[in-house]
Parts: sequence; structure tokens; C-alpha cells
Amino acid sequence: SQTIHQWPATLVQPVGSPLSLECTVEGTSNPNLYWYRQAAGRGLQLLFYSVGIGQISSEVPQNLSASRPQDRQFILSSKKLLLSDSGFYLCAWTRGGGSTDTQYFGPGTRLTVL
Amino acid sequence: GDSVTQMEGPVTLSEEAFLTINCTYTATGYPSLFWYVQYPGEGLQLLLKATKADDKGSNKGFEATYRKETTSFHLEKGSVQVSDSAVYFCALTFGGSNYKLTFGKGTLLTVNP
Repeated sequence: SQTIHQWPATLVQPVGSPLSLECTVEGTSNPNLYWYRQAAGRGLQLLFYSVGIGQISSEVPQNLSASRPQDRQFILSSKKLLLSDSGFYLCAWTRGGGSTDTQYFGPGTRLTVL
Repeated sequence: GDSVTQMEGPVTLSEEAFLTINCTYTATGYPSLFWYVQYPGEGLQLLLKATKADDKGSNKGFEATYRKETTSFHLEKGSVQVSDSAVYFCALTFGGSNYKLTFGKGTLLTVNP
């Protein structure tokens, strides 16, 4: 069976510090991978998605970036965090190849920028 | 572009009450439709889905029917429980190689004993 992991679960960082959030998927190959942000009291905002190693599409211009160094690893980064980067970050995956299958979500990382 | 509109929350019900959360969509074509649920402090879980018109998705007592004529996918449950308290998201996708989900803003449901 497939599982998706995110870490850390919780993070408190000062403004201006760097960020690295990691997401890994097990039990599948060549998945599509996604990063979402959920700000307090708001819906989900798609930040990045990837259909393969090294292939990253950005949905919203911001000071965040994403990388996919391995098939089942997706990393969200920032060089300098802003207060507005606080939120709940969710990673998700779906089978690649053009299906309309379910998108599966990880447990999320709660980021607080002070 | 594609969009999903959900009824504004929060929704507060007593245990065993009937639940309806409205969801309508705007899209060119016929997307697949989903309801996801998010329990406090957790990620999203798929609740149910429907991939074509007139399909009914169901799970854990929840149901939703894909209505092409009204472009709707309303979520219903006949008798809610305290454990159903969560945020519910309606979403659509056309699949394809990118497979991007478009979400509604979510509806917070609180069920009181």
C-alpha cells in the first residue's frame, strides 16, 4: 500500500530564516506530487506541482520554491521566511499518466513564522 | 477558469440532525467531483467521489450525486454524529497529465451532543 510522509509536523521559525519541508511517498513510482498551503480560516492554495524528477510548475509567485531530487521526494524551501508564510502545508500525490484517480494527502506541517 | 463554490460556514448541528452542504461548480466540460474531509489538525482524506453525471458517491453514511443539469454535488448525511465535526471541501478535476484539483473554500461543521 502507498503512504505519504511529511516532516516536520510542527515548526516555529523567525522571520528571515530559511525553510525546508520534506515530503516522501512510498509504495508507488512516478507519482504526481503537489504542495498546498492552507492559511488560518481559508481554503487550500496550490503552490507547486511536479509530474517528474526535476519538473516543477509554480502556481503562485512567492518567496517559496520547490524541488524534486528523487522520484518520490518533494521539498518545499525558502531562503527567507515572511510572516505571511505561516500556515498549514500539505503535500499530496496522485498516480501519474493522466488518470482522474484520487489525490492523497499527507498529515501536514504546521509552520508558524514569528 | 474552473471554480468551486461551497456554502458559507460554519454549520452547527445537533447530533442526529440532517446535514446538507451545498457545492456548485463552474467548468468547461465534465469534471470528476470529490468531497474531502479534514479533521482538526490533520491532512485531508477523500470522503467520496463521482466521475460522471448521475453518479452517486457514498461513504460513512455521506452521499453526493453528480448533477450535470445544475452543476452541483451537494453533500448529505441523514444523521450526523459528534465525530463528523470537521471541515469539508468540495473539489473538481479534469485529470490529465497535470491532474490539478480545484477546491472550494471549505465548510466547517460542528456537531453538538
